[in-house]
Amino acid sequence: DTGVSQDPRHKITKRGQNVTFRCDPISEHNRLYWYRQTLGQGPEFLTYFQNEAQLEKSRLLSDRFSAERPKGSFSTLEIQRTEQGDSAMYLCASSYRGYMNTEAFFGQGTRLTVV
Amino acid sequence: QQQVKQSPQSLIVQKGGISIINCAYENTAFDYFPWYQQFPGKGPALLIAIRPDVSEKKEGRFTISFNKSAKQFSLHIMDSQPGDSATYFCAASETDSWGKFQFGAGTQVVVTP
Repeated sequence: DTGVSQDPRHKITKRGQNVTFRCDPISEHNRLYWYRQTLGQGPEFLTYFQNEAQLEKSRLLSDRFSAERPKGSFSTLEIQRTEQGDSAMYLCASSYRGYMNTEAFFGQGTRLTVV
Repeated sequence: QQQVKQSPQSLIVQKGGISIINCAYENTAFDYFPWYQQFPGKGPALLIAIRPDVSEKKEGRFTISFNKSAKQFSLHIMDSQPGDSATYFCAASETDSWGKFQFGAGTQVVVTP
């Protein structure tokens, strides 16, 4: 499968714990995006990378959230001291931005439940 | 503040009928308008997209109509099939921030047999 891969697919954690999600983009894609989707809503942009550089962070991304993309390949999204309001689907997407732009392909997401 | 407003929230259509979903945006810098289809437990998948230099784009049973002056665009699903039952999201972005989308809230479409 050469699509966007996210791991884990589901995560249940206790309030106050730290969690980390991983995203493996399509190999030739230089842009990687993180979105958050709550039930009945559209995805909300969190942050995105071009290669290893984090180009933008949404105001939604509090200090408890951090994302990295070392070496411009896979990315991780860490949430520290989780709160119940962090319960959501976290979606990763990737695309190629350059002389020719490709569409953004989404992964299947990581569903986080904070209890 | 929601930059892309989508309606209706839900829609029930009979097999063979036409589904119409509408979106409106505020930011005139947006220059790429995709529609995504999402099934339960899956990530969104691109259905069809349009740029503001054309007023209509058709791919199979799916058509986007775009009205730049009104800052509105819509998705028409012709000959709706039960397999089209899904949640549809409109979105908008600027070319310079390619892939950074503002999504609408979604429309749940149910196609009855």
